[in-house]
Amino acid sequence: KAGVTQTPRYLIKTRGQQVTLSCSPISGHRSVSWYQQTPGQGLQFLFEYFSETQRNKGNFPGRFSGRQFSNSRSEMNVSTLELGDSALYLCASSWKGTGNGNTIYFGEGSWLTVV
Amino acid sequence: DAKTTQPPSMDCAEGRAANLPCNHSTISGNEYVYWYRQIHSQGPQYIIHGLKNNETNEMASLIITEDRKSSTLILPHATLRDTAVYYCIVRMDSSYKLIFGSGTRLLVRP
Repeated sequence: KAGVTQTPRYLIKTRGQQVTLSCSPISGHRSVSWYQQTPGQGLQFLFEYFSETQRNKGNFPGRFSGRQFSNSRSEMNVSTLELGDSALYLCASSWKGTGNGNTIYFGEGSWLTVV
Repeated sequence: DAKTTQPPSMDCAEGRAANLPCNHSTISGNEYVYWYRQIHSQGPQYIIHGLKNNETNEMASLIITEDRKSSTLILPHATLRDTAVYYCIVRMDSSYKLIFGSGTRLLVRP
């Protein structure tokens, strides 16, 4: 079956703009989480959604937000972009997010460059 | 903070086994050991996970010591395509997130 799908794969934005990234989880998976990867900070957890509810959020400013739809698809939004937001944004999905066997699978990511 | 310690880099010859160590001396009873790898510019790829027994799948084997304070990921016949950063992660059964450390950069030499 299809893996985690993220769109767009690459995008360039200007400082101050906002961006929306999309994620389609593996079919049947209800948990979707988002991660940011930068050379300096590595892979960091942003937030996780299950059944349209955000269950937890990492240590990121309020400019980073997300949502999940009834079909488990998810979007994340970054407003008022800063140069430091340039990163690989990764979406991951699992059946329910917790418990053994609920392995988390990642998409290929969306490369965001802020100029 | 990541609860694992891995060497920053390793290399091995193509066709030979690659043994990647991981120290997780503070692991608790309900934490699993997960391994992922990330090939340049791609998303992390799940490899294998285990609790206390050794595990094997089509990609690799995971050997966990009896005291569970360390583990080794074994790629039995490394190929050039196995060149990647390998992450060892401990994760509570009830946790919905992964905490990544710096990983081990494995270089497979021709």
